[in-house]
Amino acid sequence: GESVGLHLPTLSVQEGDNSIINCAYSNSASDYFIWYKQESGKGPQFIIDIRSNMDKRQGQRVTVLLNKTVKHLSLQIAATQPGDSAVYFCAENRNNAGNMLTFGGGTRLMVKP
Amino acid sequence: KAGVTQTPRYLIKTRGQQVTLSCSPISGHRSVSWYQQTPGQGLQFLFEYFSETQRNKGNFPGRFSGRQFSNSRSEMNVSTLELGDSALYLCASSLVESNTGELFFGEGSRLTVL
Repeated sequence: GESVGLHLPTLSVQEGDNSIINCAYSNSASDYFIWYKQESGKGPQFIIDIRSNMDKRQGQRVTVLLNKTVKHLSLQIAATQPGDSAVYFCAENRNNAGNMLTFGGGTRLMVKP
Repeated sequence: KAGVTQTPRYLIKTRGQQVTLSCSPISGHRSVSWYQQTPGQGLQFLFEYFSETQRNKGNFPGRFSGRQFSNSRSEMNVSTLELGDSALYLCASSLVESNTGELFFGEGSRLTVL
């Protein structure tokens, strides 16, 4: 919705296709990397996280890949559905920093029926 | 199980006024964090409270303050409001103390400063 920015990068995919959302992070000391989904008028919703000592983690229809060499994080959504339309944020957290997340700028995913 | 509840959902203030926002975390959650969301700056961390103590603070001026009560409910206050304080203020709670970053967000309080 209008609360998350007017000029977000947008990814448009056909229903049933796979989606890949990318994120670059900056802090090599981060211990956790997290993906959140924000639908219009709602707060962000946790999707999946990955610890820095892993390079891949799978959930239900989602996979997160972490490449620490180039500080890159990606979220793959299989068989994208209209209900996946939202803004997706990556975030990073340091284990000894409580819950002080640093969020990326967000990517808007639009699913065409 | 009820989610994170934020009140009020919408409010309009004028420059120079102050505002208090309230957050009730999920039952059993003792960590409460606050974030500001604007189109220009995105989601930015304000502060985190755990067991009534401020555990972390973001890079915001002293006009932004908060507190947490013994029942884990939290409030944040913004004094001497400026136009740039217009934003969606999100509260998030967390059960675990391992700080993985899995937060449960409320729907936010949308503040408009005129």
